[in-house]
Amino acid sequence: GNSVTQMEGPVTLSEEAFLTINCTYTATGYPSLFWYVQYPGEGLQLLLKATKADDKGSNKGFEATYRKETTSFHLEKGSVQVSDSAVYFCCAGGTSYGKLTFGQGTILTVHP
Amino acid sequence: EPEVTQTPSHQVTQMGQEVILRCVPISNHLYFYWYRQILGQKVEFLVSFYNNEISEKSEIFDDQFSVERPDGSNFTLKIRSTKLEDSAMYFCASRGGGRYEQYFGPGTRLTVT
Repeated sequence: GNSVTQMEGPVTLSEEAFLTINCTYTATGYPSLFWYVQYPGEGLQLLLKATKADDKGSNKGFEATYRKETTSFHLEKGSVQVSDSAVYFCCAGGTSYGKLTFGQGTILTVHP
Repeated sequence: EPEVTQTPSHQVTQMGQEVILRCVPISNHLYFYWYRQILGQKVEFLVSFYNNEISEKSEIFDDQFSVERPDGSNFTLKIRSTKLEDSAMYFCASRGGGRYEQYFGPGTRLTVT
């Protein structure tokens, strides 16, 4: 089955700093890839997705590019805000029924 | 914007008791899922449900677990005889046909004492 590995957290940044959260996957075939975000006290929200190699997903200033050659889907944002403080999950979609395999999650804290 | 809802938000039960966790998926979605997250661990897939039957399940989803879509709107997860290790946050998700992304509910925190 698929597996997803995210960089160890927690990550602590100052406002307006550049963010990278690394994510790599192993899979048979080419899974769809997703980043989900969980704000404090809330559920999982889809942040962005990419469904094939070289696709770039983007939303709310966040971006991630599906890199087949490095089996990676790193999340980036040029200038983080305090409101971006949350837990970020990298996921790979598997079978035709779409089961998701999650990374371990990365806690991001942004200070003013 | 349509959303997935789950009830209750928190359930406390005694070991050996049956619990039913309820979810209302987005109305025109076709695929339904349960995941769980034990505190401090990864979110884990439990089961997927399509066309009124289980389409895939994980090793965690043993005979103590069952799912049902009783009335075309609700989607339930039943745990017949809860164990301490069933304590976790349980997330329901749904997905539209022809789409890749899943939409998650806010979760039910299950505490087994």
